[in-house]
Amino acid sequence: QKEVEQDPGPLSVPEGAIVSLNCTYSNSAFQYFMWYRQYSRKGPELLMYTYSSGNKEDGRFTAQVDKSSKYISLFIRDSQPSDSATYLCAMTRGSNYKLTFGKGTLLTVNP
Amino acid sequence: EAQVTQNPRYLITVTGKKLTVTCSQNMNHEYMSWYRQDPGLGLRQIYYSMNVEVTDKGDVPEGYKVSRKEKRNFPLILESPSPNQTSLYFCASRLGNPTDTQYFGPGTRLTVL
Repeated sequence: QKEVEQDPGPLSVPEGAIVSLNCTYSNSAFQYFMWYRQYSRKGPELLMYTYSSGNKEDGRFTAQVDKSSKYISLFIRDSQPSDSATYLCAMTRGSNYKLTFGKGTLLTVNP
Repeated sequence: EAQVTQNPRYLITVTGKKLTVTCSQNMNHEYMSWYRQDPGLGLRQIYYSMNVEVTDKGDVPEGYKVSRKEKRNFPLILESPSPNQTSLYFCASRLGNPTDTQYFGPGTRLTVL
């Protein structure tokens, strides 16, 4: 079983839709959970992070972590064409540990 | 301007010819790391460094070496490159905590023939 599983998509939605992106993981020691966005031909950029379980909201983006289910989600409200990118989840045990990424989900938001 | 730089951006080489990809950051970050990105496999960490002279293996360290003699530089060394190391490589840095923003370099496209 891979440490982090993420459906690669692709996912195509109309502008204004609510998007749900998800990852599951197997290592219960993971404490820090992050979402990165990567535009074509660019390096990833950090979108949001969550420590342990709970929700975090930042504008149109909401990150959720359910440690009991080993499941994390990123919701995008009122999606825009500029949100079209690959979204990668990432997680780690802490500062001195490796960072493990999901394979990424390719999202296209159609005008 | 805060940035992570990598050189070269593109490289085509042959099997067995040693090469070094340089990485430098100007943000005084403690943590630096190298990743490779491959279609269908996503982004995988090769090596990371928590500070000067402190490095550790990521998920796919085989065939790579790193060193961290100065805080700002973290070169990736391929002693004897092989075709399965053909990939897109990213260097990244952040302050220290996992939740600190990690800044990625522009990427190095390596082809090993």
